Amino acid sequence: QVQLVETGGGVVQPGRSLRLSCAASGFTFSSHGMHWVRQSPGKGLEWVAVIGGNERTQYYADSVKGRFTMSRDNAKNTLDLQMNSLRTEDTAVYYCAREGNWGEWYFDLWGRGTLVTVSS
Amino acid sequence: ENVLTQSPGTLSLSPGERATLSCRASQSVSSNYLAWYQQKPGQAPRLLIYGASSRATGIPDRFSGSGSGTDFTLTISRLEPEDFAVYYCHKYGNSPGTFGQGTQLEIK
Repeated sequence: QVQLVETGGGVVQPGRSLRLSCAASGFTFSSHGMHWVRQSPGKGLEWVAVIGGNERTQYYADSVKGRFTMSRDNAKNTLDLQMNSLRTEDTAVYYCAREGNWGEWYFDLWGRGTLVTVSS
Repeated sequence: ENVLTQSPGTLSLSPGERATLSCRASQSVSSNYLAWYQQKPGQAPRLLIYGASSRATGIPDRFSGSGSGTDFTLTISRLEPEDFAVYYCHKYGNSPGTFGQGTQLEIK
């Protein structure tokens, strides 16, 4: 079954860290760029970060650059997002998403999402 | 930043009717890299259209996308009960993209 499943969300205080994971199945994981997209009531859908299939290419939104780090393990078909120095504005549902076509950052497969709440 | 503005904010229609959703970009969208997604409550977005007019795998042909430059349209020819949801447009490329704020399609 082709799917993405995120885990790791929860409630965390501002300034603390959290690590999200995404498990992929049913497709050749290493052949696809993978992204994190988040959704909050106030800001709607917002692209967060991408990692290429070869792991060497990574880009981050300005809002998370220097605080978030993406990684992947192609042997285990997993994707991680290490989130440090969390802020209240990082509160959102975080989705991992598969890149639809090489070099075209639309998303043809999404996980169900995991909720991150940053609050004191 | 290329801002996407969707209209209307809410569209009230009945099953069987035709729905026309608009997405306007503040700058021209290169290569017509414009996608549409459907999102139901508690679910992730689902890709409907990419490249402005190409239907994603498994999407019924009542969904169609059109447009170029700065003006794009998603049309649902005959609404089914399961089509009532929020629809987002998305400008993409090989760099960070932007999403519209969404159109809520509700049952009249």
